[in-house]
Amino acid sequence: AQSVTQLDSQVPVFEEAPVELRCNYSSSVSVYLFWYVQYPNQGLQLLLKYLSGSTLVKGINGFEAEFNKSQTSFHLRKPSVHISDTAEYFCAVSGAGGGADGLTFGKGTHLIIQP
Amino acid sequence: DGGITQSPKYLFRKEGQNVTLSCEQNLNHDAMYWYRQDPGQGLRLIYYSQIVNDFQKGDIAEGYSVSREKKESFPLTVTSAQKNPTAFYLCASSEGRIFSGNTIYFGEGSWLTVV
Repeated sequence: AQSVTQLDSQVPVFEEAPVELRCNYSSSVSVYLFWYVQYPNQGLQLLLKYLSGSTLVKGINGFEAEFNKSQTSFHLRKPSVHISDTAEYFCAVSGAGGGADGLTFGKGTHLIIQP
Repeated sequence: DGGITQSPKYLFRKEGQNVTLSCEQNLNHDAMYWYRQDPGQGLRLIYYSQIVNDFQKGDIAEGYSVSREKKESFPLTVTSAQKNPTAFYLCASSEGRIFSGNTIYFGEGSWLTVV
């Protein structure tokens, strides 16, 4: 079985400051990793994903994430946040090549941008 | 524009009633999914479907049913057997093989409240 742990349920950050949202996963097989963003009362939108290759993945809206296999982590970062980044962020994992465990989501991190 | 349309956005259900949430996609995607979202719980998979006339139970299928008579449609019925149906429901779709690393696209969601 696979699992995802998002270590912080809420992260308050001042506008224009850097931010890191932490994600750790557990899986017995090779994985694909994803970060999604959800604005209030809306569906989820993909920020970025890691399938293979370079461990540093760049996504939309200036976000990036680094896959660290030894630490089983996939932390999301942005060097300078904006008010519009206020949202819920979800990390997700699936077994590479498909599998019965499907796509497992973490419980989410609420990013709160303070002016 | 291509996308996933969920309706209704808000729905109220009386105790003992069955209700059906609609999901239509015009992305020509093979795979479709239903997720349930509760505050602080992340997303949990209810059902998924790879092709027409075939679907599989997810992690929390009890009290729910689905059909896939057309490629673009994947309605979810919340039956009276679902003891705690109040939640935000998200329909999603993806190209190709299910859970294979392809991006999953989400609809805007439907709020279901039991009154």
